[in-house]
Amino acid sequence: NAGVTQTPKFRVLKTGQSMTLLCAQDMNHEYMYWYRQDPGMGLRLIHYSVGEGTTAKGEVPDGYNVSRLKKQNFLLGLESAAPSQTSVYFCASRTGRGYTFGSGTRLTVV
Amino acid sequence: GENVEQHPSTLSVQEGDSAVIKCTYSDSASNYFPWYKQELGKRPQLIIDIRSNVGEKKDQRIAVTLNKTAKHFSLHITETQPEDSAVYFCAASSGYSTLTFGKGTMLLVSP
Repeated sequence: NAGVTQTPKFRVLKTGQSMTLLCAQDMNHEYMYWYRQDPGMGLRLIHYSVGEGTTAKGEVPDGYNVSRLKKQNFLLGLESAAPSQTSVYFCASRTGRGYTFGSGTRLTVV
Repeated sequence: GENVEQHPSTLSVQEGDSAVIKCTYSDSASNYFPWYKQELGKRPQLIIDIRSNVGEKKDQRIAVTLNKTAKHFSLHITETQPEDSAVYFCAASSGYSTLTFGKGTMLLVSP
């Protein structure tokens, strides 16, 4: 039982490049989330999903897209990376008590 | 939408002292209030939570209080230890909607 697994853990992108962050959970949770964490800003919600095939926008969705084709996977895509997207990205799934977070992806856009 | 304010942003205490972190929320429909601890370079982890039908909850050295009328809740850590040093986040949600987080409090416990 791995919980919530994020890949990759680290990535450096050049401005304009694209990439996909993968979040996988093995707890059969319906709800999954993508947050970004920046110094002094806390955790801000990018997109979330309440079940397979559904997605919704959070507080800071611009520049990101998501897909939930399978219940256990929630993908976050950056189509054209910008330096403002340099951040630590956390995926989470919802339990009966709050969230279980993945270990995070540290993304740097140069 | 929900807005969560958290204070202070940094808090320094001596080992053995108590620490208090306060949060306010804006949405009166919010009914679930978790607290997370994040050590440097690690993921946030749930340390305690409270629902709106309860005014106070304790778990060993940590406790959370909730004042629904004033729309604020607080985290209390007694007998602080160096390993309590971390960033603490409060959050709020209503039902199974999304969690809105405060900006965090960096707690430093000096030996």
